[in-house]
Amino acid sequence: QQQVKQSPQSLIVQKGGIPIINCAYENTAFDYFPWYQQFPGKGPALLIAIRPDVSEKKEGRFTISFNKSAKQFSLHIMDSQPGDSATYFCAASINSGYSTLTFGKGTMLLVSP
Amino acid sequence: ETGVTQTPRHLVMGMTNKKSLKCEQHLGHNAMYWYKQSAKKPLELMFVYNFKEQTENNSVPSRFSPECPNSSHLFLHLHTLQPEDSALYLCASSQSLRPDTQYFGPGTRLTVL
Repeated sequence: QQQVKQSPQSLIVQKGGIPIINCAYENTAFDYFPWYQQFPGKGPALLIAIRPDVSEKKEGRFTISFNKSAKQFSLHIMDSQPGDSATYFCAASINSGYSTLTFGKGTMLLVSP
Repeated sequence: ETGVTQTPRHLVMGMTNKKSLKCEQHLGHNAMYWYKQSAKKPLELMFVYNFKEQTENNSVPSRFSPECPNSSHLFLHLHTLQPEDSALYLCASSQSLRPDTQYFGPGTRLTVL
């Protein structure tokens, strides 16, 4: 019930492509869904997050799509750049009270020039 | 110094050694966390402290011993570790256990020989 399943494990796209990373969850009490970006030698950094009252959120080139009925959410990176090459983690938590983040296993993205 | 800092950044130790990892946050947060990051596995939450009190211990072996002397500092004392404990150890902090304010440090890369 606490798992967050992330796919794919790795992804290679060409510059300008739109990589899509998917996550699925089981716990219907989750109400906060962030995505983290991690570069080698760095800790994960919050990239964008969504709450279940909206189906989509955009911040710059990054978009989260959220499907509450399917218990799935995804990250889209528009016009991807080589500098977007990193590992991306989805996570989920219950933000309304004490809660900790449950993370997916991560997706290693490589954007080729 | 800004954000969350961790020292050392790299550590190699034998199975009989005793060492400590240090984390310091400069964000005015009051909750601090230790995570273990291993290849191809989700981030594993190890310990949580809120206002210096431990609120979560996720069945972590006793060879890992946390210490939180104040809201800005967190230590992880290590002794008689096993090679499978080799991983990236990440520290994070947040405001009042709110996951949407969680900020990670760069991590300590630990290798146990």
